[in-house]
Amino acid sequence: NAGVTQTPKFQVLKTGQSMTLQCAQDMNHEYMSWYRQDPGMGLRLIHYSVGAGITDQGEVPNGYNVSRSTTEDFPLRLLSAAPSQTSVYFCASSPIPGTSYHEQYFGPGTRLTVT
Amino acid sequence: DAKTTQPPSMDCAEGRAANLPCNHSTISGNEYVYWYRQIHSQGPQYIIHGLKNNETNEMASLIITEDRKSSTLILPHATLRDTAVYYCIVRVTGTGGFKTIFGAGTRLFVKA
Repeated sequence: NAGVTQTPKFQVLKTGQSMTLQCAQDMNHEYMSWYRQDPGMGLRLIHYSVGAGITDQGEVPNGYNVSRSTTEDFPLRLLSAAPSQTSVYFCASSPIPGTSYHEQYFGPGTRLTVT
Repeated sequence: DAKTTQPPSMDCAEGRAANLPCNHSTISGNEYVYWYRQIHSQGPQYIIHGLKNNETNEMASLIITEDRKSSTLILPHATLRDTAVYYCIVRVTGTGGFKTIFGAGTRLFVKA
């Protein structure tokens, strides 16, 4: 298993540009999520999905779109990049939490700079 | 989900036990306590979780007080590779727990 993979590893954007951060997992996990981490801070939830065709907002969803057309993929789209979106982005996956929580598996992150 | 309070940083000598505290005084009966760690800028890694009873696995032990208002993560023999940020999280199971929130965590420095 490759686990959770993210591409690209690094990206520099100009203000106003759009782009898609890719996330894929090969563990057949229903639950996937996107977090951002600013320097010296914890992780903040952007969007999450509990299965193909189902997405919902997290803590800081503004400026980001997601879709979930397959179980494996959960791309994050920046519609019009702003310097405030400079951050490290982590994708995570897990089975759906049922009677007990299942550990989340995190990708290696995408480091995004918006100038 | 209940909020957690952790010290911003701690030191530990290599080979000694590292005891990382977490306060979760507003925890509800159906909320679990979880610990993750983040080494350098890698993605967080799951360590352990528990509800009421103390738990142990190959990485660490989790001690939860009887009133469940606080817990301690114990790394029994800390190594330099355990230097990381440790996050204590509480969350409900099921749909209410989908919005897991990570706080700022405790930065543990293991020193030779």
